[in-house]
Amino acid sequence: KQEVTQIPAALSVPEGENLVLNCSFTDSAIYNLQWFRQDPGKGLTSLLLIQSSQREQTSGRLNASLDKSSGRSTLYIAASQPGDSATYLCAVREVGQNFVFGPGTRLSVLP
Amino acid sequence: EAGVAQSPRYKIIEKRQSVAFWCNPISGHATLYWYQQILGQGPKLLIQFQNNGVVDDSQLPKDRFSAERLKGVDSTLKIQPAKLEDSAVYLCASRRSGTQFEAFFGQGTRLTVV
Repeated sequence: KQEVTQIPAALSVPEGENLVLNCSFTDSAIYNLQWFRQDPGKGLTSLLLIQSSQREQTSGRLNASLDKSSGRSTLYIAASQPGDSATYLCAVREVGQNFVFGPGTRLSVLP
Repeated sequence: EAGVAQSPRYKIIEKRQSVAFWCNPISGHATLYWYQQILGQGPKLLIQFQNNGVVDDSQLPKDRFSAERLKGVDSTLKIQPAKLEDSAVYLCASRRSGTQFEAFFGQGTRLTVV
């Protein structure tokens, strides 16, 4: 059974810092991995989608990498801003087409 | 492109009552998911539809939860009777068929059972 973990569970950084969020999964037989952002009381906003054949994806200040063989993905946020404060979730899409989510990392960027 | 629409946004009911949630996916998205997200946890899949057929409902508590997508577009998730532990956010997501497409989520319905 696929299990997804995220480290750290919570992170607090001063504005302007670069930071890395980690996601690990136990079964490497995945189609892709998607990173989401969730603001309090809101739904999930898709940030980046990495196909299993890709190594990384970039969107603005965000860069996500995927090492399928080791079961790891990282989300790099450059020059963090207070508006980046949210919970970040990773989800792997398995061969059976379902998404399995990690518990999330709660990020606070202090002004 | 309009996003995934869900209603209601909030619902408070007493235990043993029934409740229904509605989802309208993005136009053209054949795959629809319902997820349950308990506070502090990641979303957990309840059911997946492909058009109007069920692909996976292995984690749906079928004694009290039911879902349908009769015409392959809108979907309804029902809980009857509700329990205290059903308090959660219920998220609907949709996606185009094919492995390369990302999923888009609605705003969710926050259910409180008292």
